[in-house]
Amino acid sequence: EIVLTQSPDFQSVTPKEKVTITCRASQSIGSSLHWYQQKPDQSPNLLIKYASQSISGVPSRFSGSGSGTDFTLTINSLEAEDAATYYCHQSSSLPFTFGGGTKVEIK
Amino acid sequence: QVQLQESGPGLVKPSETLSLTCTVSGVSLSNYYWSWIRQPAGKGLEWIGRIYTSGSTNYNPSFKSRVTMSVDTSKNQFSLKLSSVTAADTAVYYCARGSLTMDYWGQGTLVTVSS
Repeated sequence: EIVLTQSPDFQSVTPKEKVTITCRASQSIGSSLHWYQQKPDQSPNLLIKYASQSISGVPSRFSGSGSGTDFTLTINSLEAEDAATYYCHQSSSLPFTFGGGTKVEIK
Repeated sequence: QVQLQESGPGLVKPSETLSLTCTVSGVSLSNYYWSWIRQPAGKGLEWIGRIYTSGSTNYNPSFKSRVTMSVDTSKNQFSLKLSSVTAADTAVYYCARGSLTMDYWGQGTLVTVSS
């Protein structure tokens, strides 16, 4: 099973700041890494697919990069509505797995 | 507009079988994978497995042989059964479209395992 390790676990950020979340895979997964945003009491929402591909309707301040074992989700100019927990997810090999999540709080 | 809705008992006794159904509207089940994911309170997401419209399945080995998924294309529904449940199976259970990427999710349903 591929283990995904996210860092940090928690981040408290001021609006308009840049946020960087990393996800490290226990083995190479190519670009089969996706990012989800989960706001409190809501279901997850797909933000970025295949490491860097944008999703229709997702604000352009969200971007992803990386390949192999190291991946990054970047939120440029954080807005209050971005307060959420962010999860990475790999679909390179079964069983599919998720990272432990990164909670982003707005200061 | 694609919508998914989980349904089933919110309370299940230990050692019994958890049964949930996901009703899909706005799109046919055909030609997609459909997934189940769960999330214990305050914790992360766990992928349970997926089913294709043909009935082909892949399950997370961590559930051993406790999981069964099925699909009913005539009702545009797919289902999850998890047997021999314990308190550790208490979680919000989500259904979702896709498996490589999951682009539509249900709102989730809380299942509590307790006597």
